[in-house]
Amino acid sequence: NAGVTQTPKFQVLKTGQSMTLQCAQDMNHNSMYWYRQDPGMGLRLIYYSASEGTTDKGEVPNGYNVSRLNKREFSLRLESAAPSQTSVYFCASSVGGGGYEQYFGPGTRLTVT
Amino acid sequence: GQQVMQIPQYQHVQEGEDFTTYCNSSTTLSNIQWYKQRPGGHPVFLIQLVKSGEVKKQKRLTFQFGEAKKNSSLHITATQTTDVGTYFCAYTGTASKLTFGTGTRLQVTL
Repeated sequence: NAGVTQTPKFQVLKTGQSMTLQCAQDMNHNSMYWYRQDPGMGLRLIYYSASEGTTDKGEVPNGYNVSRLNKREFSLRLESAAPSQTSVYFCASSVGGGGYEQYFGPGTRLTVT
Repeated sequence: GQQVMQIPQYQHVQEGEDFTTYCNSSTTLSNIQWYKQRPGGHPVFLIQLVKSGEVKKQKRLTFQFGEAKKNSSLHITATQTTDVGTYFCAYTGTASKLTFGTGTRLQVTL
């Protein structure tokens, strides 16, 4: 049981480049989330997927897109990276929406120069 | 809108001392969760509180949910170096989304 896995672990991009962060969970969870964590800012929700086939914006969705590929996988795409998107990105999953504990992946440390 | 303040932002204690972090809301919360994040790691769920006045214990950790469900606390008795990390509270807000507090970073020295 791997839990929540994320790839890549580290990434350096130049301004304007694009990339996709991958996330997969093997716990048969319905809900999946993408957060970013900046120093002193806690965790901020970018997008979430309450169930397969649905996605919704969180607190800071600008500059990002997501795809819930199937029940296991939820990807986050940066179309044109900006230095303000330098952050640590965490994927998480839960059995259902709010009120259920969330399981986090190990994170992707992204630097945009 | 709903706002949750977590205090203190940072605390440095000597091993063996107690530690408390507080999560305070301007409105009533339906539930509160607590997570721990070790340096360089990812958040790990500790506990959820849902009832008014609820108190739960996990070894040296005691979690409380206020009577009015507007505040919560996490108390660690006799801290150890393994307690180092950032402790986050989180609550279920609009559209069943979890919102995290800004966290309290705990440093423990011998």
